[in-house]
Amino acid sequence: RKEVEQDPGPFNVPEGATVAFNCTYSNSASQSFFWYRQDCRKEPKLLMSVYSSGNEDGRFTAQLNRASQYISLLIRDSKLSDSATYLCVVGVRTGNQFYFGTGTSLTVIP
Amino acid sequence: SQTIHQWPATLVQPVGSPLSLECTVEGTSNPNLYWYRQAAGRGLQLLFYSVGIGQISSEVPQNLSASRPQDRQFILSSKKLLLSDSGFYLCAWTVSSYNEQFFGPGTRLTVL
Repeated sequence: RKEVEQDPGPFNVPEGATVAFNCTYSNSASQSFFWYRQDCRKEPKLLMSVYSSGNEDGRFTAQLNRASQYISLLIRDSKLSDSATYLCVVGVRTGNQFYFGTGTSLTVIP
Repeated sequence: SQTIHQWPATLVQPVGSPLSLECTVEGTSNPNLYWYRQAAGRGLQLLFYSVGIGQISSEVPQNLSASRPQDRQFILSSKKLLLSDSGFYLCAWTVSSYNEQFFGPGTRLTVL
């Protein structure tokens, strides 16, 4: 079983739509949670950290459910510039390691 | 502020040739350093990580090796490249696994 699982998509949505991505993790020693954005042929860049109480940054909302071991990302009012691959990342206490989902591809259509 | 550098940006190498990719971090001390590989259309695969000078942990046994000769320098090497070594190599640093990772711009390696 993979440490982190994501629906690969692709998600094709019109501008202005709301889209949600989910991610599940299997390691109960997971202690930190992040969403990264990766544009084509570029390095991943931090979109936002995910906190236990949930957090919001403009049009982006991230939530964590420790009991069910899943993380979500909600994007409201999608823009063309939101088109990218979104990576779910989990940090674990043991070994200072991070586990990455394979990413969810989003294309926002005019 | 902290920055992370990788070079070269792109590399085309013949099968059987050696490899040396370098990563350096500025603006922080004693970072945890990581090498990842991303094959085309695939997720990130952790290759090596280091929590200090001379301390290397290998995640995937293969023909690659890593070294950390200085606190903020991480090198990925191979004596003989394989076709399957082609991919996008990313270096990253963090303070700890409780904090976010920051990635370098990556090296795109093509082995022919």
